[in-house]
Amino acid sequence: QVQLQESGPGLVKPSESLALTCSVSGGSISSYYWSWIRQPPGKGPECIGYIYHSGSTNYNPSFKSRATISLDTSKNQFFLKLNSVTAADTAVYYCARLVDSPMVPQDYFDYWGQGTLVTVSS
Amino acid sequence: DIQMTQSPSSLPASVGDRVTITCRASRTISNYLNWYQQKPGKAPKLLIYAASTLQSGVPSRFSGSGSGTDFTLTISSLQPEDFATYYCQQSYDTPRNFGQGTKLEIK
Repeated sequence: QVQLQESGPGLVKPSESLALTCSVSGGSISSYYWSWIRQPPGKGPECIGYIYHSGSTNYNPSFKSRATISLDTSKNQFFLKLNSVTAADTAVYYCARLVDSPMVPQDYFDYWGQGTLVTVSS
Repeated sequence: DIQMTQSPSSLPASVGDRVTITCRASRTISNYLNWYQQKPGKAPKLLIYAASTLQSGVPSRFSGSGSGTDFTLTISSLQPEDFATYYCQQSYDTPRNFGQGTKLEIK
């Protein structure tokens, strides 16, 4: 059973950077896509971006150049850094696996971490 | 970006009811549509992918249909554990956008 666990500071000051780690167990990150998704209070989830095990990335243009996703296969971890945060970045941040269906040529988020609340406030 | 719009935003219902939630895409996405269930304080859980394929372990009272721009999630007979918020998500293009959610509430 694949398990994901987010970790990082729960409070970040405005204009600073948010940095989160997702630790994966029960499976290797040397396959599949690995994503970061956030959910502001009372709103729907929003995909920030994802990284392939090769290191190639895809980002939501809404985050312009503020977001960077990276990975460390030796530690079975991947990371999110979000620069220049504001109060609008306050959200629960999830890491999730994005997998291609074995049945049809489509993908979906099948395993998620429990989420970590990040509050941006001075 | 492809925008996903769900209706209604909240749906009062009773145990045993048949309920339908609608999701509309801002442009055609074939059947590249997934449904998730989220309970308070928990991560979303995949229910259905490719518009109508039930994820392993999901009860058969859940079903999905649709193609193009209009999709539905139906629960044939509501159970107490089904009261939650449901999200659709398109997998046709990046970014992989979600709807704003439909909260299923006890009537």
